[in-house]
Amino acid sequence: NAGVMQNPRHLVRRRGQEARLRCSPVKGHSHVYWYRQLPEEGLKFMVYLQKENIIDESGMPKERFSAEFPKEGPSILRIQQVVRGDSAAYFCASSSSTGVYNEQFFGPGTRLTVL
Amino acid sequence: KQEVTQIPAALSVPEGENLVLNCSFTDSAIYNLQWFRQDPGKGLTSLLLIQSSQREQTSGRLNASLDKSSGRSTLYIAASQPGDSATYLCAVRKENFNKFYFGSGTKLNVKP
Repeated sequence: NAGVMQNPRHLVRRRGQEARLRCSPVKGHSHVYWYRQLPEEGLKFMVYLQKENIIDESGMPKERFSAEFPKEGPSILRIQQVVRGDSAAYFCASSSSTGVYNEQFFGPGTRLTVL
Repeated sequence: KQEVTQIPAALSVPEGENLVLNCSFTDSAIYNLQWFRQDPGKGLTSLLLIQSSQREQTSGRLNASLDKSSGRSTLYIAASQPGDSATYLCAVRKENFNKFYFGSGTKLNVKP
């Protein structure tokens, strides 16, 4: 069973460029969560999506950030016009609609560096 | 708003010592609490998950307790080993399918 997959694992962008981070959830999982971890800090929630729907985006910055989870394909976190402050590790987690505890399984993360 | 605090921020112990990591949360209306391990530059490994109705969970040398009314959880590690060196994160969920609120972690170093 493949776990949550994220790519790329490392991404370097210059200020002003766009960053696209991909997350493939555990097979059969329909809930996806994105978190951001700044250096030496815990993870901060960004957005929660189900297939084709954004359920909770209360942690997303109001500008430049967007997320989607299409019917087919991975979930995408998109950051436009990146700035140095966007440098962080971005983690994706997924969970199932069934199961007793609906545990969230985390991917290995994408480490974004903005030059 | 839920806030999660972990104490201490860093801990260094000699190999073989038993140790306790602490986690506190401000809103006791939680669905579950989960402890994770994070190695440098790596993702999260789930260690223990405690439902709100449970008092503790055990896995090998690890034991996690939950006192929901006082907003506290502890992670007990018995007979620590150098391989236990990592950052330990505590996270709480308010409802099913809801987001996690994470603490900032305790960075553990077990010296051989």
